[in-house]
Order: sequence, then structure tokens, then C-alpha cells
Amino acid sequence: EAGVVQSPRYKIIEKKQPVAFWCNPISGHNTLYWYLQNLGQGPELLIRYENEEAVDDSQLPKDRFSAERLKGVDSTLKIQPAELGDSAVYLCASSLASFGGELFFGEGSRLTVL
Amino acid sequence: QKEVEQNSGPLSVPEGAIASLNCTYSDRVSQSFFWYRQYSGKSPELIMSIYSNGDKEDGRFTAQLNKASQYVSLLIRDSQPSDSATYLCALDRGSSYKLIFGSGTRLLVRP
Repeated sequence: EAGVVQSPRYKIIEKKQPVAFWCNPISGHNTLYWYLQNLGQGPELLIRYENEEAVDDSQLPKDRFSAERLKGVDSTLKIQPAELGDSAVYLCASSLASFGGELFFGEGSRLTVL
Repeated sequence: QKEVEQNSGPLSVPEGAIASLNCTYSDRVSQSFFWYRQYSGKSPELIMSIYSNGDKEDGRFTAQLNKASQYVSLLIRDSQPSDSATYLCALDRGSSYKLIFGSGTRLLVRP
């Protein structure tokens, strides 16, 4: 069974440029999460989807970040414009509907903003 | 005060020894606790979950929970060099359906 797939794995951009990350969760997992992980820190939740509905986006900086999950399957996280402080790893995770704390993470997208 | 506190380490132990990783949390309503392992450059993976006070064993891993002291720990017996990784403690408050992660403890197992 395929795991959570993310792309791109690495992205280097100039500040003020836009960037987008894509995630395809494990088949059958209707809950999808985007986490941000800075170096030496634990993951921090940005947004959680139940199917196509964003049920927790309280930590998403909505002035520059946006996300969507069309048709309740794959998802895109966008940053526009990117700032130097956005350099981090963006992790996508999915889980079964009945939350048991087991999140399956993708390999992450490492963003470097110059 | 961070919601989940972990010593960043590194914790260095010799091969075959017991590694003890600790985590404290501030919110008493937290109900579920998890240990994730993260190898360098890789994504976190769940290794243990614990929901009630006491010990829970799974192979070489034992999770311990003391809700009165707001303390959770992970013991790794017969540590192997392949156990060298960062161990992230995480909790769920119960109704939020999201995990709050600590910053992790880096474990080094010396051959």
C-alpha cells in the first residue's frame, strides 16, 4: 500500500515568490493534516481536514497561507508571498476517521526561502 | 511554558543499555499520549501510544504514564545503534483531534 505522497521534496525560492506543495494521502484516510516543522522543533499543526472540510485552521497564517482539499482526497498548501521565516519542512499526514493518534506522515517538502 | 517539554539531548547510551526518554506536559486535561520516532531527514513514525496510568510494553519499548505528575516516559531496552533518532512526545487533549508535539529528544546509541 502506498504511503502519503508529497511533492516537491525540495524547493528553493526567492522571498516574495509563491510556492505550492501537494499531498496525496493514504487511500481511505479521510483526515488530512498539514504540519510545519522547523529545525530542532516538533511538528506544528497548520490545518486539518475532514474530507474536504477544513475543521481546524486556527494556526494557519491566513494572510499568506492557503490550502485546499478538493474532492476530499489530495490537498495543496500554498504560500504567497513567501518570507524568509517560512523556510521549514512542510509535512502532510493522514489518518483514519476514528482518531487514535496514529498519523501517517509523508516525507515532507523542504522549503528554503532566500 | 511549553505545553509539552522534552530535553533536547543528545542522550548518549552504549549499545545494549536502557535508554530513558522523558516528557512533561502542562495541560491536565490531556488524555492520550504518543511517542514518535524521527530519523534524521525522515518523517515521524508512531512507535507507542498510552492512554492510562501505568506501563505499556511493546517489544523492547515501554511507555510509562503518570497523569498525577503530568509525566510520560519511554524506555528502550537493549538499545541498538539503529535506535539513534529523535524521539517526539505528543499528546491529544481529548476532543481537539490534533496532536501537540514536543521538540524531541535526540538519542545516540554508541556501538
